[in-house]
Amino acid sequence: GNSVTQMEGPVTLSEEAFLTINCTYTATGYPSLFWYVQYPGEGLQLLLKATKADDKGSNKGFEATYRKETTSFHLEKGSVQVSDSAVYFCALRGHNDYKLSFGAGTTVTVRA
Amino acid sequence: DGGITQSPKYLFRKEGQNVTLSCEQNLNHDAMYWYRQDPGQGLRLIYYSQIVNDFQKGDIAEGYSVSREKKESFPLTVTSAQKNPTAFYLCASVMGQGNTGELFFGEGSRLTVL
Repeated sequence: GNSVTQMEGPVTLSEEAFLTINCTYTATGYPSLFWYVQYPGEGLQLLLKATKADDKGSNKGFEATYRKETTSFHLEKGSVQVSDSAVYFCALRGHNDYKLSFGAGTTVTVRA
Repeated sequence: DGGITQSPKYLFRKEGQNVTLSCEQNLNHDAMYWYRQDPGQGLRLIYYSQIVNDFQKGDIAEGYSVSREKKESFPLTVTSAQKNPTAFYLCASVMGQGNTGELFFGEGSRLTVL
């Protein structure tokens, strides 16, 4: 079945540092890939997505590239801010599949 | 504004009681979902529904029940058979079949069993 493995946290950074959260997946066919963000006490918000190989999703300074050859979708941001402190989830939706499979989530804390 | 509304945001329950969490969406989405989130863990699928009057079990359906009588509504009942119901519950929806659509989430309901 489909599965997602993402880097374990927690991750603690200083402001303006570079952030990378690794995400790899297992799936048949051509899944869509997503990064969601969850702020304390809230639901999940879509951060970015990519629907085919070599697509790059980007939003709010975050980027991730769909790499089929390495089955990866790593999240990056060049200069983080305190407001980026949150839990980040990598997710996968299989071809013609209604279900979304999530990674375990990575807690990121950015210190001023 | 379109979105997903979950209620209540916080709920306390005594052991042995059933409780129902509400989820309403005005996005005209076909499919709806319930996920459970425990501290430090990812989201686990409880139930999902692709169309009205139809739903399927997810990975952890035991101790839960759902109904889908209207397109807009997908309530979740946490029954007394659920052994460890304290958790954060998230409802989500998506437009329809096709693998490019992202799920939209509500703000969540936090259930605590006393």
